[in-house]
Amino acid sequence: QVQLVQSGAEVKKPGSSVKVSCKTSGYTFSRFAITWVRQAPGQGLEWMGGMMPMFGTANYAQKFQGRGAISADESTSTAYLELSSLRSDDTAVYYCARVGPDIAALDSWGQGTLVTVSS
Amino acid sequence: DIVMTQSPDSLAVSLGERATINCTSSQSVLSNSNNKNFLAWYQQKPGQPPKLLIYWASTRESGVPDRFSGSGSGTDFTLTISSLQAEDVAVYFCQQYYNNRGFTFGPGTKVDIK
Repeated sequence: QVQLVQSGAEVKKPGSSVKVSCKTSGYTFSRFAITWVRQAPGQGLEWMGGMMPMFGTANYAQKFQGRGAISADESTSTAYLELSSLRSDDTAVYYCARVGPDIAALDSWGQGTLVTVSS
Repeated sequence: DIVMTQSPDSLAVSLGERATINCTSSQSVLSNSNNKNFLAWYQQKPGQPPKLLIYWASTRESGVPDRFSGSGSGTDFTLTISSLQAEDVAVYFCQQYYNNRGFTFGPGTKVDIK
């Protein structure tokens, strides 16, 4: 079955960077877009960006352009999100999610990675 | 950018009763190319990632109980739980995807047992 397994929790200092991984299995990685969504404590869902591994180019929500970097390694079926210049309001659970085939919706999700930004 | 709103913010329903959640998009999410609405619904329980319930506004994801249904078109959508069960206590989000501009989520509606 489709699985997305994310890397573990991180604690970072303001101004630093974090890189979260999302290892997938159970489907052909290159053929489905992967997106990243974050959720601040007690808040809603915020789409950050995504990419189609087959094409190798990512698109980002305007808020994260220049600060976020999404990449993919087809050899390991793993997607990555790197967020730089971290601030305290970047403290959130970060999720990767697969875009389902032709449905414009996120049909499989990783378990989430808590990133805490604190001095 | 398309903005999604939901109402109510929260609701409490007796077991076995109907729960109705509304979602409004600031622009139509009906695709001219395939006549489908780019609107999905998710359920999120505490400590868990969201779970896809409904896509194309009214198509249930595989394995989702048929007490969950979606309706609407254009800018106004509804998620209905026909007979609330204890395991349905959760936060529900709507989401749009249109014109390759990425995904936007509604703020969420919390459903509890009365």
